[in-house]
Amino acid sequence: AQSVTQLDSQVPVFEEAPVELRCNYSSSVSVYLFWYVQYPNQGLQLLLKYLSGSTLVKGINGFEAEFNKSQTSFHLRKPSVHISDTAEYFCAVSAPSGNTGKLIFGQGTTLQVKP
Amino acid sequence: DTEVTQTPKHLVMGMTNKKSLKCEQHMGHRAMYWYKQKAKKPPELMFVYSYEKLSINESVPSRFSPECPNSSLLNLHLHALQPEDSALYLCASSQVGGSGGELFFGEGSRLTVL
Repeated sequence: AQSVTQLDSQVPVFEEAPVELRCNYSSSVSVYLFWYVQYPNQGLQLLLKYLSGSTLVKGINGFEAEFNKSQTSFHLRKPSVHISDTAEYFCAVSAPSGNTGKLIFGQGTTLQVKP
Repeated sequence: DTEVTQTPKHLVMGMTNKKSLKCEQHMGHRAMYWYKQKAKKPPELMFVYSYEKLSINESVPSRFSPECPNSSLLNLHLHALQPEDSALYLCASSQVGGSGGELFFGEGSRLTVL
């Protein structure tokens, strides 16, 4: 079974500062890893995903994440945040086996960007 | 623009009402999902359809009844709901066995049960 832990429930940061949202996962098999963003009153949008290959993954809106197998982590980073990045961020994992993309979500991190 | 369309965006219903939530996608995906999301919580999986057949039911109460009429449509029929069922209901779709399980979400239907 897989599980996901997002280490911070809220991350306040000033505009144009860098930010890191932390995610650790647990799994006895290889996994696929995702970061989704949810803006207020909207559905979830994929920011980026790691399936295989390069451990540094670049996504939309200037976000990137690094897969670290030894530390079972998949932290999300952005070098300079904007007010518009204020949202809920979910880390998720799925197992490659099986025919359905069943996602296991972390509890979410609220990113609050202050002017 | 989202490629998964959900209607209605908002729904208010009494505990004795019967209503339905609808979801449509035109990406050729053969897996479709219903998730329930309470405020400040992650989405919780309810149902998965694969090739129009129910493949996963996460022990959801029978007052929620899913239906997949064809590969593009997914419905969630609601009957005799409780106030605690008030939540955002998200539909999603994906390829089957491909894309590493990437899901495409709709914007959700916000349900209030009085």
